Amino acid sequence: DAMVIQNPRYQVTQFGKPVTLSCSQTLNHNVMYWYQQKSSQAPKLLFHYYDKDFNNEADTPDNFQSRRPNTSFCFLDIRSPGLGDAAMYLCATKQAGGPSNEQFFGPGTRLTVL
Amino acid sequence: RKEVEQDPGPFNVPEGATVAFNCTYSNSASQSFFWYRQDCRKEPKLLMSVYSSGNEDGRFTAQLNRASQYISLLIRDSKLSDSATYLCVVNKMPMDSSYKLIFGSGTRLLVRP
Repeated sequence: DAMVIQNPRYQVTQFGKPVTLSCSQTLNHNVMYWYQQKSSQAPKLLFHYYDKDFNNEADTPDNFQSRRPNTSFCFLDIRSPGLGDAAMYLCATKQAGGPSNEQFFGPGTRLTVL
Repeated sequence: RKEVEQDPGPFNVPEGATVAFNCTYSNSASQSFFWYRQDCRKEPKLLMSVYSSGNEDGRFTAQLNRASQYISLLIRDSKLSDSATYLCVVNKMPMDSSYKLIFGSGTRLLVRP
């Protein structure tokens, strides 16, 4: 089945140790998003790619970076994780210009910072 | 003021009950509206889109009131499996046409036997 895949599902890192989360999709969608969701809060958009064009949200910390080497893959790099970065990280995709405005989410990566 | 506001709940209802959630949004330029469902520690999944004329999908009915800028979701004949958090979501179309969703914090529903 076509889907959005995130690896790993659970990631434990140490304070200040760089970590990379990955997302891949078989939907061939042109837009990919990264969200951060903390407990009992709304998913918060960090940034998105429209094809290769990177769009950063104004309040996304510099500590968060992203790469999209091709249509299928997108990475979230956290350069120096702090305790406040512990959260669920959700990747989503959408076909801009398509018939639906639906975003398709991956299962998320739950990040723990020790 | 948050762009999308919801009552966090929880709404604790017996099986078979009818329950309604409301949501308000602040940006009158919002174009599209959705209800997503999120189970505990899982990803959000689209429940239904919300159309101006209102729409129904089985036991679920969604309504949009553009003048008052609110959206509602009605669940009839609640099932235990309906227990989840329901996220109100709006979309506005920026100039570059890359659609961004704005999520509410969600309303938690607990359906008890």
